[in-house]
Amino acid sequence: EDQVTQSPEALRLQEGESSSLNCSYTVSGLRGLFWYRQDPGKGPEFLFTLYSAGEEKEKERLKATLTKKESFLHITAPKPEDSATYLCAVQTWGSGNTGKLIFGQGTTLQVKP
Amino acid sequence: DAGVTQSPTHLIKTRGQHVTLRCSPISGHKSVSWYQQVLGQGPQFIFQYYEKEERGRGNFPDRFSARQFPNYSSELNVNALLLGDSALYLCASSLLWGMGDEKLFFGSGTQLSVL
Repeated sequence: EDQVTQSPEALRLQEGESSSLNCSYTVSGLRGLFWYRQDPGKGPEFLFTLYSAGEEKEKERLKATLTKKESFLHITAPKPEDSATYLCAVQTWGSGNTGKLIFGQGTTLQVKP
Repeated sequence: DAGVTQSPTHLIKTRGQHVTLRCSPISGHKSVSWYQQVLGQGPQFIFQYYEKEERGRGNFPDRFSARQFPNYSSELNVNALLLGDSALYLCASSLLWGMGDEKLFFGSGTQLSVL
């Protein structure tokens, strides 16, 4: 069964304290790995898509990387406005052409000033 | 341009009732997906529609149904509501379908509470 696990469940950082969020996946065949940000009471907001091991993408203070078993979301010198829940999701070849995303449970990040 | 819009934003129902949730995709997007998000968990796939046809269905009972209209808007219907159906229901639209780059744009969701 395809599965996505994120760790830690919650993370508290001081402003400027860099860290990483982990997304481990066990899937039949990875088609793409997605990172989303979700603020309270809102829908997920797209951040990145990664397709193959070794791929990296950056956006402001965020950098996503991908290996054959996991993905990391690195947050460099975070600010309080980076506080949110970060969701990892995979799309697999086993889902055919459904476009179905399988989400992890998310990591809730709190950045204190 | 307007993003994905969902209505209503909040809804309170009692067990056994029926509910209809509505979604308008981003202009030009022909694919609409529905997800259920229980508090503290990630979203779970319910349905995907493209060009008014069902293209995918998640592991949900037959009480859940959906349809897509000619203008690409969509409805999610849930019959015989159970307490466990209480969740945030998210609609997402995408430009493409089945192309391997399913960049989904989500609405803010409908928060359904079943009492």
